[in-house]
Amino acid sequence: RKEVEQDPGPFNVPEGATVAFNCTYSNSASQSFFWYRQDCRKEPKLLMSVYSSGNEDGRFTAQLNRASQYISLLIRDSKLSDSATYLCVSDPAGTYKYIFGTGTRLKVLA
Amino acid sequence: DGGITQSPKYLFRKEGQNVTLSCEQNLNHDAMYWYRQDPGQGLRLIYYSQIVNDFQKGDIAEGYSVSREKKESFPLTVTSAQKNPTAFYLCASSKLDRESPLHFGNGTRLTVT
Repeated sequence: RKEVEQDPGPFNVPEGATVAFNCTYSNSASQSFFWYRQDCRKEPKLLMSVYSSGNEDGRFTAQLNRASQYISLLIRDSKLSDSATYLCVSDPAGTYKYIFGTGTRLKVLA
Repeated sequence: DGGITQSPKYLFRKEGQNVTLSCEQNLNHDAMYWYRQDPGQGLRLIYYSQIVNDFQKGDIAEGYSVSREKKESFPLTVTSAQKNPTAFYLCASSKLDRESPLHFGNGTRLTVT
């Protein structure tokens, strides 16, 4: 089983839709979780940190479910500019060895 | 402005040649990382370092080497032993703090023919 797994998509959604992605992790000792956004042929950019209590930033909400070992990202009122690949990352065993999921591709359609 | 600088942005080499990718950061971060990304794929960890003069292998270290002689610098050498070196290489750094995310450079796109 991979340490960090994501559904690769693509998720094709209309503008204004709400879309959610999950990312599962295999090591229960993982301490840090983040969501990154990556545009084509560019470096990943931090979207959100994921805290135990959840985290909200405008249209974006991130949650951590330790019991089921997954993190989630919810995007409300999708914009065309949200089209990108969304990467989750964690540090298995809490060692600062950051492992990325393969990414989930989102396409927001006009 | 603080940040991570990777150079060059594009690099072309002939098969059989070693090539070194540069990564410099002025964020005073302790940890530095090298990732490789192939088209349509996620990031795979090559090497990482949490302190000067020490580094650990990631998941795909074969055919690569690194050094960490200074806190600011973490160069990656792609050796001729790497079977499929053509890829997008990303350098990152972070504080050793559970809530501190990775900061990325702009990447180096290496093509070996």
